[in-house]
Amino acid sequence: AQRVTQPEKLLSVFKGAPVELKCNYSYSGSPELFWYVQYSRQRLQLLLRHISRESIKGFTADLNKGETSFHLKKPFAQEEDSAMYYCALSVSSASKIIFGSGTRLSIRP
Amino acid sequence: NAGVTQTPKFQVLKTGQSMTLQCAQDMNHNSMYWYRQDPGMGLRLIYYSASEGTTDKGEVPNGYNVSRLNKREFSLRLESAAPSQTSVYFCASRFTGGELFFGEGSRLTVL
Repeated sequence: AQRVTQPEKLLSVFKGAPVELKCNYSYSGSPELFWYVQYSRQRLQLLLRHISRESIKGFTADLNKGETSFHLKKPFAQEEDSAMYYCALSVSSASKIIFGSGTRLSIRP
Repeated sequence: NAGVTQTPKFQVLKTGQSMTLQCAQDMNHNSMYWYRQDPGMGLRLIYYSASEGTTDKGEVPNGYNVSRLNKREFSLRLESAAPSQTSVYFCASRFTGGELFFGEGSRLTVL
């Protein structure tokens, strides 16, 4: 069965500090992974996806198939990064997309 | 520029009552999804529809039914609501292989 694990429910860091939100997945096929973000009073929206290999708002994520991980990183946190972050896995053969339990990121001034 | 529209935004039900959550998208997406969001549990997939005319169970389908009425609309029905179904429900849609676009959510309370 497919599974997405985000081990941290809450991550609190100071402004300017590095951030790493962990995501591990379980899937026997070829994974397609995403990070979605939910800012306060806004809709859930895509932050980035592994196939695009781009940096959005200073965030990057690298797919590590050996460790089955897709951790989200940012070298210098900003206050506007405070939000709920979800890692998601697409089971491409079935159009099914499942999410992890989410990590609330809080940036302290 | 409506995107994904869900109705109602808020609903309070008594145990055993039924209701339907409506979802419509105007982006011509082929796939549509229903999720529930609970504290500490994240987003859990209830049902999805890969294309018009098909529906499939997700991770937590028990107690729910869905209908893909046409390409635009995907409804979620609770036949006999239970307190465990108190949650925030999100509808989403996408093109195959694309990103998900979400509605604003529907907050349901079952007493």
